Amino acid sequence: GAVVSQHPSWVICKSGTSVKIECRSLDFQATTMFWYRQFPKQSLMLMATSNEGSKATYEQGVEKDKFLINHASLTLSTLTVTSAHPEDSSFYICSASTGTSNQPQHFGDGTRLSIL
Amino acid sequence: AQKITQTQPGMFVQEKEAVTLDCTYDTSDPSYGLFWYKQPSSGEMIFLIYQGSYDQQNATEGRYSLNFQKARKSANLVISASQLGDSAMYFCAMREGYTNAGKSTFGDGTTLTVKP
Repeated sequence: GAVVSQHPSWVICKSGTSVKIECRSLDFQATTMFWYRQFPKQSLMLMATSNEGSKATYEQGVEKDKFLINHASLTLSTLTVTSAHPEDSSFYICSASTGTSNQPQHFGDGTRLSIL
Repeated sequence: AQKITQTQPGMFVQEKEAVTLDCTYDTSDPSYGLFWYKQPSSGEMIFLIYQGSYDQQNATEGRYSLNFQKARKSANLVISASQLGDSAMYFCAMREGYTNAGKSTFGDGTTLTVKP
């Protein structure tokens, strides 16, 4: 149980393109999802906390107009990288929580984004 | 100050031997959870083991055990009988409080290489 599906796995696109990444909880309802960005050999950097039916809470330094997050249902959160540029190339990974702080986060498999 | 500290950027271990990955944490919340995740080169985050702040015994899951020393605020991961497939990056993480909206704080990670 507690499976999180993230699509797409890989994206290669031209500079200026907007890219949407989906994160779905397949067998549970996730009121809260998290979006992370990760550079090679580095830790996960929390970008924002996505709450169903309300605006996302962004971490300091993360451009909310650049990284649009929508959590329209209890099973789906989306991250849209708007007008992507090469510096936005990274590994993006989402996670969802099923319960209290004694429960692990359940991660999607991540999306490798390459902007040419 | 960093909430989660992993002081070993890289570790090597011989196949079939045991290895300890260090993690220290900092929190003033009496209720927290400590987690270890494995991230292979493919990128997915795999939950390994959990230790709650009120747990009296050290957590164990198969070949993984957690050496929890609350007074020292350390939660080291011990992997016994290392296998080649254990080569990956390992992250220690902490969630504070009781709510499922609580964010996880991740350490910088330790890259483990198992030698044949």
